[in-house]
Amino acid sequence: QKEVEQDPGPLSVPEGAIVSLNCTYSNSAFQYFMWYRQYSRKGPELLMYTYSSGNKEDGRFTAQVDKSSKYISLFIRDSQPSDSATYLCAMRGEGLTGGGNKLTFGTGTQLKVEL
Amino acid sequence: NAGVTQTPKFQVLKTGQSMTLQCAQDMNHEYMSWYRQDPGMGLRLIHYSVGAGITDQGEVPNGYNVSRSTTEDFPLRLLSAAPSQTSVYFCASSRPTGPPYEQYFGPGTRLTVT
Repeated sequence: QKEVEQDPGPLSVPEGAIVSLNCTYSNSAFQYFMWYRQYSRKGPELLMYTYSSGNKEDGRFTAQVDKSSKYISLFIRDSQPSDSATYLCAMRGEGLTGGGNKLTFGTGTQLKVEL
Repeated sequence: NAGVTQTPKFQVLKTGQSMTLQCAQDMNHEYMSWYRQDPGMGLRLIHYSVGAGITDQGEVPNGYNVSRSTTEDFPLRLLSAAPSQTSVYFCASSRPTGPPYEQYFGPGTRLTVT
C-alpha cells in the first residue's frame, strides 16, 4: 500500500464549478501538507501548504486537513480554464526528516475545466 | 533569478548509452534533489544532496549517480541506460529550514530509452 493515495482522474468540470481534490495517507507522522500544481510539460509549483489539522484559504483555493481521518482536500471555487492542470498532494513530517526535505507525493489528479 | 534550470529538455538514448542530465539553481539553496515522474507512480526520489560534497540515495537510486561539487550544480548521470529509465526527470532545490519546506522544481527532462 502506498503511503499517499490520490485518485488520478481525469476530472472534467464546467467553468465556474466547485472542484474537490483529495488525498488519503497512512503515516501518522506527517505534519505538513502541501498541494502542488503542475501544468502540462512543466515542473510542479507549490500552491498551498498547511500545518497539522485545519483549514487554510487563499483566494479561490481552500486546503483542508483532517488528521484524525488521515484525509486532506483542496477545494477550488469558481473554477477557471486556467486551473486545468495536474494537482499533486505532498506531505512530510516535523523537523529534520532526512532525504533533503524529502516530500512524499501523491500520484496527482488531472483536472480539466471546460468552457 | 532563473530559479532551477535543467538541460536538455528532451533526450533519446539507445540501451546501454550513458549521459548526464544537468541541473543548476541560482537561489543559493543547500538542498537539491532528483525525482523521476512516471504515470501512476507520482514523483519518486532518486538521489539528493544536503550541501556541496554530500550526496545520498533516495527511493530509486539504482542505475544513477550524482555528485555535488558546488552549491549551484547537481548533475545526474545515467551509467548504462535501460528502457525502464524512460521517464520525466525533475531536479528540485530547497532551503534546509521551513516551513513551508518548499521544493522548487525545474522544468524537467523528458528521456526516452529505446
